[in-house]
Amino acid sequence: DTAVSQTPKYLVTQMGNDKSIKCEQNLGHDTMYWYKQDSKKFLKIMFSYNNKELIINETVPNRFSPKSPDKAHLNLHINSLELGDSAVYFCASSHSTTGGKLFFGSGTQLSVL
Amino acid sequence: KNEVEQSPQNLTAQEGEFITINCSYSVGISALHWLQQHPGGGIVSLFMLSSGKKKHGRLIATINIQEKHSSLHITASHPRDSAVYICAVGTWESNYQLIWGAGTKLIIKP
Repeated sequence: DTAVSQTPKYLVTQMGNDKSIKCEQNLGHDTMYWYKQDSKKFLKIMFSYNNKELIINETVPNRFSPKSPDKAHLNLHINSLELGDSAVYFCASSHSTTGGKLFFGSGTQLSVL
Repeated sequence: KNEVEQSPQNLTAQEGEFITINCSYSVGISALHWLQQHPGGGIVSLFMLSSGKKKHGRLIATINIQEKHSSLHITASHPRDSAVYICAVGTWESNYQLIWGAGTKLIIKP
């Protein structure tokens, strides 16, 4: 069983569209994250959720919104996609915000045309 | 200056060589992570440590809290070790948010 699974793996869409990326973890972890990896390969945190509460919200555009129906799921919704949103997005989870190894999903490569 | 610096940026070595990747940081940390990103893109957590040394197979991670420095060693390197190795630190100075190094791209030639 995959510990952290995210779908889709590839997402190609037109500018202006709205899209979602789903993430699920079966590790019983309390904290989940969304990271964006840019063309220079830096990983930048976008959001983290601890027990369904948003605890870190970096200065990302409000077109990006995390949605967590339960602590095993953290989905990423993106409205009005822009060319600059093209990147690889990774979901991850850890036992808590203060410790524990990170477990990553396989990534979603988003291409905005 | 980045709060987490890795060196070298790129490293090419022959199969069997002993590999060392370094990570220096300037913040107070709760833990330091070493991760591996394969050419296919997947990211795997290798170690999380806050003191001393950890070993897993051919991989060894050490940390010196006083010097704010960590090293990742690979013994008897193999082409399948070719990947990007990333250091990240968790710090209470930014609400335990991880601060990421830029990564070290390692290529092991047969």
